[in-house]
Amino acid sequence: DIQMTQSPSSLSASVGDRVTITCQASQDISSYLNWFQQKPGKAPKLLIYDASNLETGVPSRFSGSGSGTDFTFTISSLQPEDIATYYCQQYDSLRPLTFGGGTKVEIK
Amino acid sequence: EVQLVESGGGLLQPGGSLRLSCVASGFTFSDFSMSWVRQAPGKGLEWVSYISGSGSTMYYADSVKGRFTISRDNAKNSLYLQMNSLRAEDTAVYFCARRVAFDHWGQGTLVTVSS
Repeated sequence: DIQMTQSPSSLSASVGDRVTITCQASQDISSYLNWFQQKPGKAPKLLIYDASNLETGVPSRFSGSGSGTDFTFTISSLQPEDIATYYCQQYDSLRPLTFGGGTKVEIK
Repeated sequence: EVQLVESGGGLLQPGGSLRLSCVASGFTFSDFSMSWVRQAPGKGLEWVSYISGSGSTMYYADSVKGRFTISRDNAKNSLYLQMNSLRAEDTAVYFCARRVAFDHWGQGTLVTVSS
């Protein structure tokens, strides 16, 4: 199984801050990585696909980078509506598809 | 507009069975693989099962293999998850999601397994 190690597990930042989350795969997954946002009581929402591509309609303050085993997700200027838990997910291997443990983002 | 609507969740005792459904609209259902993903209360996301667009290929997480069966009816634009021998640790919100990239999700249906 491909393990996805996401860090930090939580963070607190001020409005306007730059926020960075990392995700490390246990083996090379090329660019087969997604980033999701999940707000309480809601389904996850795809933000970034193929490691660095912004899903249609997602604000440009969200971005992703990386390939192989190391990936980064960035919010360039944190907004109050960005309070959520963020997950990475690999889809290089279907057996099984795996998620990172999540990062809870809060406002300081 | 792509829509996925799950149903079938509920409260049941350990050892029981349940069938979840997910009805799709807004896209050609048979062109897309589908998955079930679950989330235990207060926990992260866990992929459960995958089925190809034709229904010919299925994969399962080790945690549900032999107990859960994924299927689809492309004529009815519907995805199913038959869950047998349910355990307390299967308690979760179950989401259906499109493609292995999970580009669209349903709202989820809650399954509670408790005596």
